[in-house]
Amino acid sequence: QQPVQSPQAVILREGEDAVINCSSSKALYSVHWYRQKHGEAPVFLMILLKGGEQKGHEKISASFNEKKQQSSLYLTASQLSYSGTYFCGTLGSINNTNAGKSTFGDGTTLTVKP
Amino acid sequence: NAGVTQTPKFRVLKTGQSMTLLCAQDMNHEYMYWYRQDPGMGLRLIHYSVGEGTTAKGEVPDGYNVSRLKKQNFLLGLESAAPSQTSVYFCASSYSGTGGFSTDTQYFGPGTRLTVL
Repeated sequence: QQPVQSPQAVILREGEDAVINCSSSKALYSVHWYRQKHGEAPVFLMILLKGGEQKGHEKISASFNEKKQQSSLYLTASQLSYSGTYFCGTLGSINNTNAGKSTFGDGTTLTVKP
Repeated sequence: NAGVTQTPKFRVLKTGQSMTLLCAQDMNHEYMYWYRQDPGMGLRLIHYSVGEGTTAKGEVPDGYNVSRLKKQNFLLGLESAAPSQTSVYFCASSYSGTGGFSTDTQYFGPGTRLTVL
């Protein structure tokens, strides 16, 4: 069952902040975030493991709340280059037959305007 | 180090024709994946492989078959193409898909744009 992302789309001005949420009805063992520019392949941003882990990449960071089965991606002081579609993905646990089976949300389209 | 490559980049098929998409990776990754992405949609897992000689079904496996005879290659076959299979197909690979830190990063190929008339 794929994770659910919200919002579906965000429009920002340069310098504004945004939050993208990812939630699952199943227990999450790890969450990974990718960004895809139009016409290109998705590119890895970061991965988070269970345990309240937070990761950062320049002005893009993420958190993972395993109890709430959700992750959030934070984009601060957005730049034009941040425009694209952001996907969260989840992986099956190493302890079950779904190990390796990854599922992605439908994506959140972020548009940053000058 | 080419990463993940896919051939062909574009293909147009007629309904009922068959074809094979090739994915190759030179990173010695164990796990490989085939996804399809319809316009404005997310990535849907078709099939995946956790090692040479093994394959497993993903979310949308119907109408597709796969093979992983060599560790570095993952082939996706369409036996009888249908217009509903018009999509962009992405291949990806990773060291593992087991929830392990820094090993689950998926590296994506550039995609194959397939149109079925």
